[in-house]
Amino acid sequence: DAGVIQSPRHEVTEMGQEVTLRCKPISGHDYLFWYRQTMMRGLELLIYFNNNVPIDDSGMPEDRFSAKMPNASFSTLKIQPSEPRDSAVYFCASSSKTGVGHEKLFFGSGTQLSVL
Amino acid sequence: SQQGEEDPQALSIQEGENATMNCSYKTSINNLQWYRQNSGRGLVHLILIRSNEREKHSGRLRVTLDTSKKSSSLLITASRAADTASYFCVAGGSEKLVFGKGTKLTVNP
Repeated sequence: DAGVIQSPRHEVTEMGQEVTLRCKPISGHDYLFWYRQTMMRGLELLIYFNNNVPIDDSGMPEDRFSAKMPNASFSTLKIQPSEPRDSAVYFCASSSKTGVGHEKLFFGSGTQLSVL
Repeated sequence: SQQGEEDPQALSIQEGENATMNCSYKTSINNLQWYRQNSGRGLVHLILIRSNEREKHSGRLRVTLDTSKKSSSLLITASRAADTASYFCVAGGSEKLVFGKGTKLTVNP
């Protein structure tokens, strides 16, 4: 298995532009998580899905952020319009929950977003 | 949510020394997981300890869990320069997995 695949690896954009980050989870995993990492705030959970359904989006910072999972093999995180404070590394992770909970998250390599 | 908080925030040691990192959490758990993040990369799962276990070993890693104190520790023995990374714990059991800010370990050659 190729693991969790994120694209693009790096994204540089100007303030006000729309940004779309993409994630392909590991086949067979039914949970998908989006995290954002900055030096100041650490690793923040933005939203997670179960069987393609958003379960908890309380970490999404504002209405400018939206996430979708149209099918089991693809998810997007969109920022519109983007702002410089959105600059961060965005990680996608997937997991398969057992009867005793999540036992292992598999992370993608992340998308380094820079908003100028 | 099941957030873990790591301590210390940063740790610097010499190659060959042991490194100990601690994790505290607030709620009941099914398991406690440790992850490593090398600079610029995604987190990688290191080891999981279940709530009914007290100690677990994997190579040079030793993890302990004290559910009465809601704490865990990760010991890396005979550290190497390649162990330089950030280490995170997360308390597993619920669906919402929240990470702390991690411990940044630097192993000096």
